[in-house]
Amino acid sequence: KQEVTQIPAALSVPEGENLVLNCSFTDSAIYNLQWFRQDPGKGLTSLLLIQSSQREQTSGRLNASLDKSSGRSTLYIAASQPGDSATYLCAVEEDDKLIFGTGTRLQVFP
Amino acid sequence: KAGVTQTPRYLIKTRGQQVTLSCSPISGHRSVSWYQQTPGQGLQFLFEYFSETQRNKGNFPGRFSGRQFSNSRSEMNVSTLELGDSALYLCASSRALGARTEAFFGQGTRLTVV
Repeated sequence: KQEVTQIPAALSVPEGENLVLNCSFTDSAIYNLQWFRQDPGKGLTSLLLIQSSQREQTSGRLNASLDKSSGRSTLYIAASQPGDSATYLCAVEEDDKLIFGTGTRLQVFP
Repeated sequence: KAGVTQTPRYLIKTRGQQVTLSCSPISGHRSVSWYQQTPGQGLQFLFEYFSETQRNKGNFPGRFSGRQFSNSRSEMNVSTLELGDSALYLCASSRALGARTEAFFGQGTRLTVV
């Protein structure tokens, strides 16, 4: 059974810092991995999708990497801003459904 | 291009009642999946509909059901509500069956059972 873990559970940093959020999964036989952002009480916003054949994806200040063999993905956020404050979730595909991690709650203060 | 639309945004129901939630996917997307989010269990998969057929189901009791219409809109129904059903219910749409293409989520329906 796939288990997805995200470390750290919470993170508070000053504006301008570069951040790394971690996601690990127990079964490396995944089809893809997706990173989402969730603002309090809101739905999920898709940030990046990495197919299993890819090593990384980039969108603006975000860069996500995938190492299937070690069961790890990282989300790198460059030059963080207060507007980046949210919960970040990773999810892997298993049996045609998404298995989500527990999330990292990020706070960026001015 | 309109995103995923869920209605209503908030609901308060009494134990024992039933509730119906609605989800309109992105135009052209044929798959609609439903997830339940609670503080204790996180995000859990309920079911997926594709071309009006349920294709996959999570580990939830039979009180949770759904359907999909010919225009890909989907409804989720929960009967005999329990306090533990209080949660944020999220639907996701994607182009293809399963979770092998990018999933786009709606804003969710916050259900409170009292």
